[in-house]
Amino acid sequence: GENVEQHPSTLSVQEGDSAVIKCTYSDSASNYFPWYKQELGKGPQLIIDIRSNVGEKKDQRIAVTLNKTAKHFSLHITETQPEDSAVYFCAGPSGNTPLVFGKGTRLSVIA
Amino acid sequence: DTGVSQNPRHKITKRGQNVTFRCDPISEHNRLYWYRQTLGQGPEFLTYFQNEAQLEKSRLLSDRFSAERPKGSFSTLEIQRTEQGDSAMYLCASSPAAVGNTIYFGEGSWLTVV
Repeated sequence: GENVEQHPSTLSVQEGDSAVIKCTYSDSASNYFPWYKQELGKGPQLIIDIRSNVGEKKDQRIAVTLNKTAKHFSLHITETQPEDSAVYFCAGPSGNTPLVFGKGTRLSVIA
Repeated sequence: DTGVSQNPRHKITKRGQNVTFRCDPISEHNRLYWYRQTLGQGPEFLTYFQNEAQLEKSRLLSDRFSAERPKGSFSTLEIQRTEQGDSAMYLCASSPAAVGNTIYFGEGSWLTVV
C-alpha cells in the first residue's frame, strides 16, 4: 500500500517568514495530493490540493508543488501569520483507495 | 451547517463498555470514511462505504469494531468491550464517489476509556 512520509515533524518560523513542509510518497500511480490543516480539538480541514497533471498550484499565501519524478510534493506558506500555527498533514494516494496521511508537521509562527 | 456532523463530540466510558458514534455526511456524498487519530499522529484509515456497501476495512479494525451505513446516508461506528487503547479521536469524512475527489472531515468524536 501507499506510504507517505512527511518532514519536518516540527517547524518554528518568525512571523512574516516562509514555511515549507515536504512529503514523499511511494505509489507512482498516485494522482491526487491534498494538504490539511488541523487546529487543536478540531478535525482536519483541506487547505489546498493538487492533481498530477500540474506541477504547482497557488491560493493566496499557500502553494503546493509536485515533483512526480522524485515522488514528492511540498506545501509552501509565505508571509506566515500567528494564525497559521497548527498541525499540517499531507496525504496520498487517490482514486478508489482511501487517503493515507503523513504523521504531521507542527508549525509554530512566532510573533 | 452542511458539513460532516459527528456526535457525540466527547465520550468517556469505562473499560469493557460499548460505545457508538454517529456520522452524518455532507448531503449527496456517496462515500463515507472512518479514521482514527491518536495524539501526535495523522489520521489512520479504518473503513469506508460507498452508499450502503462497506468496501474496505483496515487491519486496525478489530472484530470489536463494527461500522454500518444501512440506508446509505448516516453511519454508525460501534466499539464493543472498549479497551484503554481505544482512546482516540474518531474522525468521519465524506466525499462524492467520483475518482480522486476531496474528502471532507467532521470535527471528530473524542473517546476516553478509563
